[in-house]
Amino acid sequence: NAGVTQTPKFQVLKTGQSMTLQCAQDMNHEYMSWYRQDPGMGLRLIHYSVGAGITDQGEVPNGYNVSRSTTEDFPLRLLSAAPSQTSVYFCASSYLVGGSLNYGYTFGSGTRLTVV
Amino acid sequence: AQTVTQSQPEMSVQEAETVTLSCTYDTSESDYYLFWYKQPPSRQMILVIRQEAYKQQNATENRFSVNFQKAAKSFSLKISDSQLGDAAMYFCAYRNPTSGTYKYIFGTGTRLKVLA
Repeated sequence: NAGVTQTPKFQVLKTGQSMTLQCAQDMNHEYMSWYRQDPGMGLRLIHYSVGAGITDQGEVPNGYNVSRSTTEDFPLRLLSAAPSQTSVYFCASSYLVGGSLNYGYTFGSGTRLTVV
Repeated sequence: AQTVTQSQPEMSVQEAETVTLSCTYDTSESDYYLFWYKQPPSRQMILVIRQEAYKQQNATENRFSVNFQKAAKSFSLKISDSQLGDAAMYFCAYRNPTSGTYKYIFGTGTRLKVLA
């Protein structure tokens, strides 16, 4: 019963490097999303998807790309890392009941990313 | 804009005592959902409790209960018989099902320390 699996758990990047954070879920959830957590700012939505082939932007999408080719996977790509992207990144998924997102997320364990 | 405010950055409680964490939110909607999430040092966010705004009865989950005051837009979390394992960051979250957006709005969190 894996739930939501995120890899890696820790990563250090140099400014300008690119990388992909992986997220996979085995609960057949339609909805998947990426949030970033910064001190004193709670969690902010980066991108989300309501099904394979469907993605949309959240509050803070700049500098990030996503794709959803399967129901299970939702990778987050950092195109050219900047120090402002130093954060903890969480993948979250959920069922959509009647198209609604009202039953709570299942979160992954997070990726702590440092950009130097 | 809908916002969630957690005015207590940090709280402490003696083991076996009761503590209440505060959360207020701003919305003009009548139908919405509220959540409390726990983030222990392991970093994984865990859903603690969920409240539907149209239900007057306060939600409870074992030692965790809420005091939901809709008119005051207040959603506090009460932890009874506190245990060392309750030490964590606690986040309050809001979901408006009619917003047309697929996201939750999170507060900035309250760090709970449990003293032995």
